[in-house]
Amino acid sequence: QVHLVESGGDVVYPGGSLRLSCAASRFTFSGHGVHWVRQAPGKGLEWVAFTRFDGKSGDYSDSVRGRFSISRDTSANTVTLHMNSLRAEDTAVYYCARGRGYSFRGGFDYWGRGTLVTVST
Amino acid sequence: DIQMTQSPSSLSASVGDRVTITCQASQDISNYLSWYQQKPGKAPELLIYDASTLETGVPSRFSGSGSGTDFSLAISSLQPEDIATYFCQQYENLPLTFGGGTKVETK
Repeated sequence: QVHLVESGGDVVYPGGSLRLSCAASRFTFSGHGVHWVRQAPGKGLEWVAFTRFDGKSGDYSDSVRGRFSISRDTSANTVTLHMNSLRAEDTAVYYCARGRGYSFRGGFDYWGRGTLVTVST
Repeated sequence: DIQMTQSPSSLSASVGDRVTITCQASQDISNYLSWYQQKPGKAPELLIYDASTLETGVPSRFSGSGSGTDFSLAISSLQPEDIATYFCQQYENLPLTFGGGTKVETK
């Protein structure tokens, strides 16, 4: 069974930084895109970022572009979301999700349980 | 960006009822659409991809249809375990976008 585990969520001050990790197991990591999707308390789902199967390209939502970056370590089977200049509106549960295919298309067939990021004074 | 409009935002139905949720895209997305189910406190789960293909392991009472800009998710006979919030999502283009969600409750 495919397994994704997020870690790194915490309480951080506005303007601070945080690094979220997604550890993947039991599937060929290099064969799938990996995405981050967030959900603010009581709200809907918002796509945040993705890295292509080979890590050579990716993209971000406008709300995080320039502040967040995504990287993957294929040898360690991990994807990391580097979050800088955090704002109160970044407060959410962050999910790591596996893309069904190599690129951004196909939907997300496996999700982690999520990690909570709270940006507050 | 492609806007996804889901309706209704919530509905109440009886066990055994047929339930239909619709999702409209702001532009043609072909069949690049998926549906997810999310139960409280849990991560979403994929139900349907490519607008009408049932994900492995998903009960056959779930079905998806549509192409272009208009899509629907149907539950042929609502079961107690189907109480959840449902989201559509387009992947025709970046940024990927979700509908606002439909909360399904029982009467």
